[in-house]
Amino acid sequence: NAGVTQTPKFRVLKTGQSMTLLCAQDMNHEYMYWYRQDPGMGLRLIHYSVGEGTTAKGEVPDGYNVSRLKKQNFLLGLESAAPSQTSVYFCASSYTKTGTEAFFGQGTRLTVV
Amino acid sequence: TQLLEQSPQFLSIQEGENLTVYCNSSSVFSSLQWYRQEPGEGPVLLVTVVTGGEVKKLKRLTFQFGDARKDSSLHITAAQPGDTGLYLCAGRNYGGSQGNLIFGKGTKLSVKP
Repeated sequence: NAGVTQTPKFRVLKTGQSMTLLCAQDMNHEYMYWYRQDPGMGLRLIHYSVGEGTTAKGEVPDGYNVSRLKKQNFLLGLESAAPSQTSVYFCASSYTKTGTEAFFGQGTRLTVV
Repeated sequence: TQLLEQSPQFLSIQEGENLTVYCNSSSVFSSLQWYRQEPGEGPVLLVTVVTGGEVKKLKRLTFQFGDARKDSSLHITAAQPGDTGLYLCAGRNYGGSQGNLIFGKGTKLSVKP
């Protein structure tokens, strides 16, 4: 049972470099989310998607872009990385029904130097 | 702006003590969830509360949803070292998109033997 898989698990970027984080889920979930977690800040929603081909902004979308070309995949892109984007990034997915569980990946630890 | 306020932010207690963690908001939520996160892992769902005034029990954990659906509490009886972790409340509010799952900043609990 793979669940939600994030790649890579660790990455170090130089300021100005770009990268894409991949999230894949095998549970046929409609909803997918990208969060960042910083010390003392809990989980903050970056972008989310309510279905294939749709995306929406969350609480902290600036500096990030996303795409949901296939239902099972949700990509998070950083076009020009900044030190402020150093964080742990979590992807999650869930069914559409209110109150259903969100399943999380194991996280990607990104450091921008 | 974080719509869900959790308190306390940190809690350090001795094994056997009781504790309560609070999750408050000025917004109405269609459901509230509590997650537990361990270091290096993604959050895992503990419970979902949907009905105002609802009380749910999970062994030594008791969860309550406020009558007005704006707040929730988590009470742990006779805490054990295995309860150590980050406790997060999360919700989808009526005003926003149904896909928008937001989290509080979390309560970091440490239970000493």
